[in-house]
Amino acid sequence: QVQLVQSGAEVKKPGASVKVSCKASGYTFTGYFMHWVRQAPGQGLEWMAWINPSSGGTKYAQNFQGRVTMTRDTSISTAYMELSSLRSDDTAVYYCARALCSGSSCYIFDYWGQGTLVTVSS
Amino acid sequence: EIVLTQSPGTLSLSPGERVILSCRASQSVSSSYLAWYQQKPGQAPRLLIYAASSRATGIPDRFSGSGSGTDFTLTISRLEPEDFAVYYCQQYGSSPCSFGQGTKLEIK
Repeated sequence: QVQLVQSGAEVKKPGASVKVSCKASGYTFTGYFMHWVRQAPGQGLEWMAWINPSSGGTKYAQNFQGRVTMTRDTSISTAYMELSSLRSDDTAVYYCARALCSGSSCYIFDYWGQGTLVTVSS
Repeated sequence: EIVLTQSPGTLSLSPGERVILSCRASQSVSSSYLAWYQQKPGQAPRLLIYAASSRATGIPDRFSGSGSGTDFTLTISRLEPEDFAVYYCQQYGSSPCSFGQGTKLEIK
């Protein structure tokens, strides 16, 4: 069965960076785009970025350009999301999500990780 | 960016009732690239509907989606106790994809 298992909760100081991992199993890792979506406490969902695990190609939301980096290690079927220059409003649960494609659009999130809480506090 | 507005913000209903949730887009959603997700407290979202009306794998047939252009709906024909949750719509026809702010279904 498809599973996405994320790394554990993090507490960071403002200005620091955080790197969250997402280990995939139960399917061919390179066959599906992987996205990251975050959710601030009590708030809605915000799309951040995707990576094509096959090519390593990435796309980032404008809100995160220059601060987010997505990478992957195909040998261990793991995707990574690194967010730098953290601010208090980056406090959120960060989810990885596998995407199905419909035509040229690969944004249907059919499997999600359990979420990783990142707390930014001085 | 396409802004999605969901209404109402909160609905108080009883098990067995029928409910229709609304999602309105600020611009036409191309190719009806509209999905619906369910989220329960402390859990990740769960895909219910994609392409406006296609049920995801394993989703009960009491969930149905419809709509096109700027107006979309999610209908739950008969509420079960496990359906009380927050529901989000998402458009993926234009970049960046965007989500509505959610509708919370609570037990009356």
